[in-house]
Amino acid sequence: DTAVSQTPKYLVTQMGNDKSIKCEQNLGHDTMYWYKQDSKKFLKIMFSYNNKELIINETVPNRFSPKSPDKAHLNLHINSLELGDSAVYFCASSPGTGPTSTDTQYFGPGTRLTVL
Amino acid sequence: GNSVTQMEGPVTLSEEAFLTINCTYTATGYPSLFWYVQYPGEGLQLLLKATKADDKGSNKGFEATYRKETTSFHLEKGSVQVSDSAVYFCALSTSGNTGKLIFGQGTTLQVKP
Repeated sequence: DTAVSQTPKYLVTQMGNDKSIKCEQNLGHDTMYWYKQDSKKFLKIMFSYNNKELIINETVPNRFSPKSPDKAHLNLHINSLELGDSAVYFCASSPGTGPTSTDTQYFGPGTRLTVL
Repeated sequence: GNSVTQMEGPVTLSEEAFLTINCTYTATGYPSLFWYVQYPGEGLQLLLKATKADDKGSNKGFEATYRKETTSFHLEKGSVQVSDSAVYFCALSTSGNTGKLIFGQGTTLQVKP
């Protein structure tokens, strides 16, 4: 009965590879997000989708491509991985037909990506 | 631009001590303010929030009051427990329809028995 789940939990890969991280929420929420947490624990929004439509696209290299096949899923594909991509990636979701500033976001457990 | 500043950590306290973690913000408009907590090896979870000036959010003995005049949202707890050891994040979300959260840098709290 996990609310927001991510796979894999750990991902170790070589520079230059392509990898994907999957996120699923069973809360019935319409909005999903990807955040990146760096080694100093600083969190920054990357992307957000509402009802499968992209609504936030921060200054992120175009090697990162989110895909939302349906409202319950938001996957993150990363091409040509670089050392600086090493971080913890968190997926989150929030309720409501459209996101608002008062919404609580529900976070997944995170995916720790290590690029060697 | 919008930003959140938290006090530097780590903060180390003995059990039953009083906790304050300072948080100030810069924002256009009228943001909503949040405290999220991240326990070791886990994702973030909402601790409390306040959506307008003078609102007080509270949960699990933690409190924070939205102070517009000082642009602050300091987190307090009267008596901390070892189980409160975690990283605490102050965050804001501005009015608008994106729901985007802007986080402070996080404050690590370690409570010793």
